[in-house]
Amino acid sequence: DQQVKQNSPSLSVQEGRISILNCDYTNSMFDYFLWYKKYPAEGPTFLISISSIKDKNEDGRFTVFLNKSAKHLSLHIVPSQPGDSAVYFCAASRYNQGGKLIFGQGTELSVKP
Amino acid sequence: SAVISQKPSRDICQRGTSLTIQCQVDSQVTMMFWYRQQPGQSLTLIATANQGSEATYESGFVIDKFPISRPNLTFSTLTVSNMSPEDSSIYLCSVRRQGRGRRNTEAFFGQGTRLTVV
Repeated sequence: DQQVKQNSPSLSVQEGRISILNCDYTNSMFDYFLWYKKYPAEGPTFLISISSIKDKNEDGRFTVFLNKSAKHLSLHIVPSQPGDSAVYFCAASRYNQGGKLIFGQGTELSVKP
Repeated sequence: SAVISQKPSRDICQRGTSLTIQCQVDSQVTMMFWYRQQPGQSLTLIATANQGSEATYESGFVIDKFPISRPNLTFSTLTVSNMSPEDSSIYLCSVRRQGRGRRNTEAFFGQGTRLTVV
């Protein structure tokens, strides 16, 4: 049972344009969501997070939007840069589950110059 | 943030053998997590390692196959036992640190161990 889903395995965007990565979840008990970026041969790097009490969190070029009614979150990268090319994972957690994260399958973003 | 050192970074092992992966954190943490990423797949939690008690394993993972040690608050090991080619994966250790807000924490990962079983 895939509780966190990223239905797009890949995304290609032109440099300077907006990248939108999507993530859906099924468990309404999740109360904290995170995005990670992963380069080959490296561990995932934390990017941005959002609590379920918010619908938007912004950090520089990165903004995460949460739509609880739709059980959907998205990561916006504006403007996209070639260095953003990586695999992006969304993850979700529940407060009473001791820090366990449930990850989506990942979306490989390619930003072309 | 957290500095997490994992070794080995990669290894090629014969089937039937075992490999122990080490994870060292730069400061004390209560819980350490071990994940697996199979080729083309998501990260899946194997177990949570608590200092002073037995690790808690997720569904589909058992202690005989993935024994874990947690001798102190900065170190843990994961052993992949009696390996088969299906165990070829990236294995990652992780810790969580409190961020902004009492309940908000971010997970930090080691660089991973890329295991190939032949």
